[in-house]
Amino acid sequence: AQKVTQAQTEISVVEKEDVTLDCVYETRDTTYYLFWYKQPPSGELVFLIRRNSFDEQNEISGRYSWNFQKSTSSFNFTITASQVVDSAVYFCALSEPYSGTYKYIFGTGTRLKVLA
Amino acid sequence: DAGVTQSPTHLIKTRGQHVTLRCSPISGHKSVSWYQQVLGQGPQFIFQYYEKEERGRGNFPDRFSARQFPNYSSELNVNALLLGDSALYLCASSRSIQETQYFGPGTRLLVL
Repeated sequence: AQKVTQAQTEISVVEKEDVTLDCVYETRDTTYYLFWYKQPPSGELVFLIRRNSFDEQNEISGRYSWNFQKSTSSFNFTITASQVVDSAVYFCALSEPYSGTYKYIFGTGTRLKVLA
Repeated sequence: DAGVTQSPTHLIKTRGQHVTLRCSPISGHKSVSWYQQVLGQGPQFIFQYYEKEERGRGNFPDRFSARQFPNYSSELNVNALLLGDSALYLCASSRSIQETQYFGPGTRLLVL
């Protein structure tokens, strides 16, 4: 079954600290896609990153980096030198082709509070 | 380029009423998906459309229906509203069904 687990419900850090958001997924397919989205108080989901199941290369993009490990079914997201503007709810999502659709399965989200 | 737009932004209805939510995708995107987000939860998939055809449906009752128009915009209809339908309804568009979905600002529906 498809499932995304974000065990951290809320994290508080002080500005400039690094913070890692955890995501564990379950999937029945060998081809799938993983995503991180940010949801500020305005409500709009903002796309951050996407990884394909066949590409485990970890990358850094500005202050964002991610660690994709198929062996542990984890897709963790790190913000380096956090800023107050990073405060938001972060969602991890999984998509796989199933019956002709690519619906997204979201975790329950992690609320990040960055304190000045 | 303009992002995904949704209307209305807020809506208040009473139980038993009907509601229509609208979504305009990013230019060039041919797929639209709808999600329901209840307070404190992650979005739940409702529908996915591509080239005006329904490509997927989530675990929602038949009171929920949708369609996609020739210009790729979409409507989500909910009949016989229940209190539990109160949520943020998000629309997302993508170039094709397997490409990254970009979300609109959502419609906040309150059912009294």
